[in-house]
Amino acid sequence: AQSVAQPEDQVNVAEGNPLTVKCTYSVSGNPYLFWYVQYPNRGLQFLLKYITGDNLVKGSYGFEAEFNKSQTSFHLKKPSALVSDSALYFCAVRDPNFNKFYFGSGTKLNVKP
Amino acid sequence: NAGVTQTPKFRVLKTGQSMTLLCAQDMNHEYMYWYRQDPGMGLRLIHYSVGEGTTAKGEVPDGYNVSRLKKQNFLLGLESAAPSQTSVYFCASRADAKEYFGPGTRLTVT
Repeated sequence: AQSVAQPEDQVNVAEGNPLTVKCTYSVSGNPYLFWYVQYPNRGLQFLLKYITGDNLVKGSYGFEAEFNKSQTSFHLKKPSALVSDSALYFCAVRDPNFNKFYFGSGTKLNVKP
Repeated sequence: NAGVTQTPKFRVLKTGQSMTLLCAQDMNHEYMYWYRQDPGMGLRLIHYSVGEGTTAKGEVPDGYNVSRLKKQNFLLGLESAAPSQTSVYFCASRADAKEYFGPGTRLTVT
């Protein structure tokens, strides 16, 4: 069965510091991996995806994520956090054999000035 | 393009009442999805559709029905609402391995 785990309910970081939001996955076959961001009272917005190719994927708003097959991880990173990055972040995996997404439980990112 | 829109934005129902949530997309996408979002549980797939006239069950389909009579619309129905269906419901459509989400419908069942 496909699954996604986000081990941290909340991540706190000071503005200007690097941030990491963790994600691990369990999927049969090659995974399609995604990160989405959700601002209060809004739908999810696509940040980036990994399908194949370079393990380091760059996305919107300066975010990037590194696919690590041996550790089955897809951690979201940003070199310098902004207060405006404060939001709820979801990691997701799509089963390439079916048409379903599986989402993690979400990590709340708090960036303090 | 309006993208993905959802109607209504908010609704309060009494137990046993029925309602239909409407999702519309103007991007000509084949795939459409309904999710519910509950605190600490992320998004869970209720039903999905791979094209006009097709529907399929997701992770948590019980208590819900769907219809995709037109390509641009995906309806989610609750025949007899229960308090456990209090949630925020998101619709999405997909193209090029990326999903586009609507703004959500906040449903409260009392």
